[in-house]
Amino acid sequence: AQSVAQPEDQVNVAEGNPLTVKCTYSVSGNPYLFWYVQYPNRGLQFLLKYITGDNLVKGSYGFEAEFNKSQTSFHLKKPSALVSDSALYFCAVRDVRRYGGSQGNLIFGKGTKLSVKP
Amino acid sequence: NAGVTQTPKFQVLKTGQSMTLQCAQDMNHNSMYWYRQDPGMGLRLIYYSASEGTTDKGEVPNGYNVSRLNKREFSLRLESAAPSQTSVYFCASSEWARQVDTIYFGEGSWLTVV
Repeated sequence: AQSVAQPEDQVNVAEGNPLTVKCTYSVSGNPYLFWYVQYPNRGLQFLLKYITGDNLVKGSYGFEAEFNKSQTSFHLKKPSALVSDSALYFCAVRDVRRYGGSQGNLIFGKGTKLSVKP
Repeated sequence: NAGVTQTPKFQVLKTGQSMTLQCAQDMNHNSMYWYRQDPGMGLRLIYYSASEGTTDKGEVPNGYNVSRLNKREFSLRLESAAPSQTSVYFCASSEWARQVDTIYFGEGSWLTVV
């Protein structure tokens, strides 16, 4: 079964420090991986995705993610955190099944709350 | 530059009442989705429409129906609301339902069933 795990419910970082939000996945075949951010009482905003190619993917707001096939990980990173980065972050993998109520679906992790303190 | 727009933003229903959540996208996308978000569970797919004229069940379809009214609009109906349907509902769209396509989300609809 395909799944995404975000092992940390919360990550606390001081402003200006680098941040990492962890994600591991389990899929059959090639993974198509996504990161979204959700601010309080708002929808999910797309940050970046890995489809193929370079293992380091750059996205919005200075975020990047590193795809590691051997460790089945897709960790989100930012070199210098901002207080405004405080939000809920979701890792997701695109469902590879074609039928049975899954075509095109995203399978989400449970989310990691990022708190950046001044 | 609206993207995915859904209404209403907030709704309180009594058990047994019905309601429809409306969703429209202006990105000329072919595929549309309805998800629900519950605390500590991420998002789960309720129904999706891979293209205009088609709809299919997702992971948690019980208690819901959908209508793909046209290419732009995809509505979600609760025929007889139950407290277990208290949740945040997100409409979303993508160019197609391919693995490479990015799914874009609306701002959410907060539904409370009492």
